[in-house]
Amino acid sequence: SQTIHQWPATLVQPVGSPLSLECTVEGTSNPNLYWYRQAAGRGLQLLFYSVGIGQISSEVPQNLSASRPQDRQFILSSKKLLLSDSGFYLCAWSARQSYEQYFGPGTRLTVT
Amino acid sequence: QKEVEQNSGPLSVPEGAIASLNCTYSDRGSQSFFWYRQYSGKSPELIMFIYSNGDKEDGRFTAQLNKASQYVSLLIRDSQPSDSATYLCAPSSYDKVIFGPGTSLSVIP
Repeated sequence: SQTIHQWPATLVQPVGSPLSLECTVEGTSNPNLYWYRQAAGRGLQLLFYSVGIGQISSEVPQNLSASRPQDRQFILSSKKLLLSDSGFYLCAWSARQSYEQYFGPGTRLTVT
Repeated sequence: QKEVEQNSGPLSVPEGAIASLNCTYSDRGSQSFFWYRQYSGKSPELIMFIYSNGDKEDGRFTAQLNKASQYVSLLIRDSQPSDSATYLCAPSSYDKVIFGPGTSLSVIP
């Protein structure tokens, strides 16, 4: 069966510090991968999605970036965090040609 | 018009009652429709999907789709306190899934 991992689970970072969140998927090949952010009491905002290694599509312009160095690894990064970057970051995967997305446990980021 | 609209709630129902969660969407090209359940502080969990007009039943859950009206709903029969969560509607079209803001459901024992 497929499993999706995210770490860390929680993170507190000062404004201006860098960020790196990692997501890995097990039990499937060539998945579509997604990064979402959910601000407190808000809906899911799609940040990035990827259909293959090195292929990243950005949905919103911001100080975040994403990379996919391996088939089942997706990384979300920032060089300098803003207060507005606080939120619940969720990684999700779907099979090719499928819209069914399955979410990881998430990383709760607080920027202070 | 927002792409996906849901009543924010909170929707409160007594234990054992039927909870009805509604969702409207603006993209007529939407082909697949998903319902996610999100417990407080947790990530969303896929609980139902429907592709064709009509009803689809899975245990205590029934999804209803009316593409002409651009409306999809989720019924939860015999509601339990463990059903208390936020329910996200997610239509999909072409290459993306659009998540609604969610409806908060509270089942009162």
